[in-house]
Amino acid sequence: GAGVSQSPRYKVAKRGQDVALRCDPISGHVSLFWYQQALGQGPEFLTYFQNEAQLDKSGLPSDRFFAERPEGSVSTLKIQRTQQEDSAVYLCASSLARGFDTGELFFGEGSRLTVL
Amino acid sequence: GENVEQHPSTLSVQEGDSAVIKCTYSDSASNYFPWYKQELGKRPQLIIDIRSNVGEKKDQRIAVTLNKTAKHFSLHITETQPEDSAVYFCAASMNTGFQKLVFGTGTRLLVSP
Repeated sequence: GAGVSQSPRYKVAKRGQDVALRCDPISGHVSLFWYQQALGQGPEFLTYFQNEAQLDKSGLPSDRFFAERPEGSVSTLKIQRTQQEDSAVYLCASSLARGFDTGELFFGEGSRLTVL
Repeated sequence: GENVEQHPSTLSVQEGDSAVIKCTYSDSASNYFPWYKQELGKRPQLIIDIRSNVGEKKDQRIAVTLNKTAKHFSLHITETQPEDSAVYFCAASMNTGFQKLVFGTGTRLLVSP
């Protein structure tokens, strides 16, 4: 595809349900990031993958959040036992840059999660 | 860790006027400063970036300036147009083995015809 693709675009979950959010990065992009964007706020870092390796998960809010990228391409962010405070837009971004390089992050449209 | 503050939170200008958005960062080790534009319900998109070895960068109507001593950087948009209306985010990155961006809280720019 031409850009980063995320699904579902919208997800409504009842409190306590598990959800899985998918990210399809741009082909060939080594780096993949997940960000959480609350209403009216800037994106906040959740986790980073370089290929299949999760190098930083320091931004994950709790142990209910889990991310994986098993084959170094598609990534899934899973949230267990959702709580109302998990309501936000979850943005995935990919980049050609790796290591100490800097470069553009290409964002997906996001998955808007609403927990009732 | 890094902290980025952004001002103003909202900015209204008339078409043709200039707009300036300012950010400060806390960690002197930060070395990369991108600006992203996010239209309502859309993905953030990079509009310009600057690295710490440069003081100013221009791209048509958009410019960014960096003052490393004061830990300030600013976005300047000249000859604003209604299509410039969006939320703008500054960010700073301290590379700790990968590019970890810390974003500001955003500035909602409204350009009135």
